[in-house]
Amino acid sequence: QKEVEQNSGPLSVPEGAIASLNCTYSDRGSQSFFWYRQYSGKSPELIMFIYSNGDKEDGRFTAQLNKASQYVSLLIRDSQPSDSATYLCAVKAGRNNDMRFGAGTRLTVKP
Amino acid sequence: GAGVSQSPSNKVTEKGKDVELRCDPISGHTALYWYRQSLGQGLEFLIYFQGNSAPDKSGLPSDRFSAERTGGSVSTLTIQRTQQEDSAVYLCASSLLPEGIQYFGAGTRLSVL
Repeated sequence: QKEVEQNSGPLSVPEGAIASLNCTYSDRGSQSFFWYRQYSGKSPELIMFIYSNGDKEDGRFTAQLNKASQYVSLLIRDSQPSDSATYLCAVKAGRNNDMRFGAGTRLTVKP
Repeated sequence: GAGVSQSPSNKVTEKGKDVELRCDPISGHTALYWYRQSLGQGLEFLIYFQGNSAPDKSGLPSDRFSAERTGGSVSTLTIQRTQQEDSAVYLCASSLLPEGIQYFGAGTRLSVL
C-alpha cells in the first residue's frame, strides 16, 4: 500500500463547477497535510495546509481533513481554466519531518 | 535570495559519468529537502537536512547517491556512475523550520544518455 494515494485522474470539470480532489494516507501518526499545485513543467507551489480535523477555507479553496478515516480532500469552487494543473497531496508524519507525496491528480477545467 | 535556487536547470550526461546538482535554499531556512520526480509521476523523497546533518537518508535509492550540506546553507546532491533510470527532475525544497511549509526550487532536469 502506498503511503499517500490519490486518484490519478484525469479529472475534468466545466468552468464554474466544483472540483473535488481526494487523498488517503496510511500513517496514522501523520500530523500535517498539504496540497500543492503543479503546472506542467513547473515546480510545485503550496495551495493549502491543514493540521486539524474539519474544514479550512481560503478563497475558492477548502481543505477537509478526517484523521479517523485518514482522508484529506481539496475542494475548488468556481473552477477556472487557470486551475488546470496537477494537484499533489503531501503528508508529513511526526517522525523525521520527511514529507510523502501522492502521485497527483491531473485536473482539467474546460471553458 | 528571494527563493530556492537550483543549478544547473538542465544537465545532459553520458551513462557512467558523475553529476553534481546544487541547491541554494531561502536565506535563513534551516531545513532542506531533495526529491526526484520522474516523468508523469509524483515526488519521491530522497533526503532531508536539518542544518548540516541528515536525520533521514532513507529515500536515497542506492549508494551511488549522496548529498551534503555545508554552512547550513547550500546543498549538493551527487550521483555517481549515472544510469539511464536516474533521468528525472530533481527538486529541492527548503523550510524555515522542520515542521514548516516547504518552498520548492525550479528543479534540475537530468537526462542520462
